[in-house]
Amino acid sequence: EAAVTQSPRNKVAVTGGKVTLSCNQTNNHNNMYWYRQDTGHGLRLIHYSYGAGSTEKGDIPDGYKASRPSQENFSLILELATPSQTSVYFCASGTGGGAEQFFGPGTRLTVL
Amino acid sequence: GDQVEQSPSALSLHEGTGSALRCNFTTTMRAVQWFQQNSRGSLINLFYLASGTKENGRLKSTFNSKESYSTLHIRDAQLEDSGTYFCAAEARYAQGLTFGLGTRVSVFP
Repeated sequence: EAAVTQSPRNKVAVTGGKVTLSCNQTNNHNNMYWYRQDTGHGLRLIHYSYGAGSTEKGDIPDGYKASRPSQENFSLILELATPSQTSVYFCASGTGGGAEQFFGPGTRLTVL
Repeated sequence: GDQVEQSPSALSLHEGTGSALRCNFTTTMRAVQWFQQNSRGSLINLFYLASGTKENGRLKSTFNSKESYSTLHIRDAQLEDSGTYFCAAEARYAQGLTFGLGTRVSVFP
């Protein structure tokens, strides 16, 4: 069974603060992804990774950085959080090339 | 532009009835996934199709890559089928899934 976990599950941050969202997968998948979900937009791709040390920009990367220190871990970093980044963030893993992706439970981030 | 057009945006069903959800794609997609988002917000994988038709219990999904659409059929709807359903697909030469805007399904007794 695919296993993708995220932490924290809920986070309240202040404008201008730094936020790090963490994702861990035990599937040994090469590819990992970060999406955000907003009403009216569905889920949109922020950053993705092909493996340890790799980070690539997705469709909406502005204001976000990513880090992939190992096969299992992929972090999303908001250096200077803004209220527009209030959203629900999902991490996913997969083998790439159009293969199935498996999602974590999501992190609800509120930036005040 | 939008690559995944999902319809309808909302659907009400009485228990025991059925209906279909549809996603149209404006570009060639390698595969499609269907998810149910439950009341806790978790995305539950329902189907992954690179082509053809799959069935799982009361749910059936088809992906026609040549005509660029996918459908999800719900039959004999139950209360636990309520939730928001998303289709998502990965375009050829792209990385990551492009999601539809979802269909909110409400099942009534």
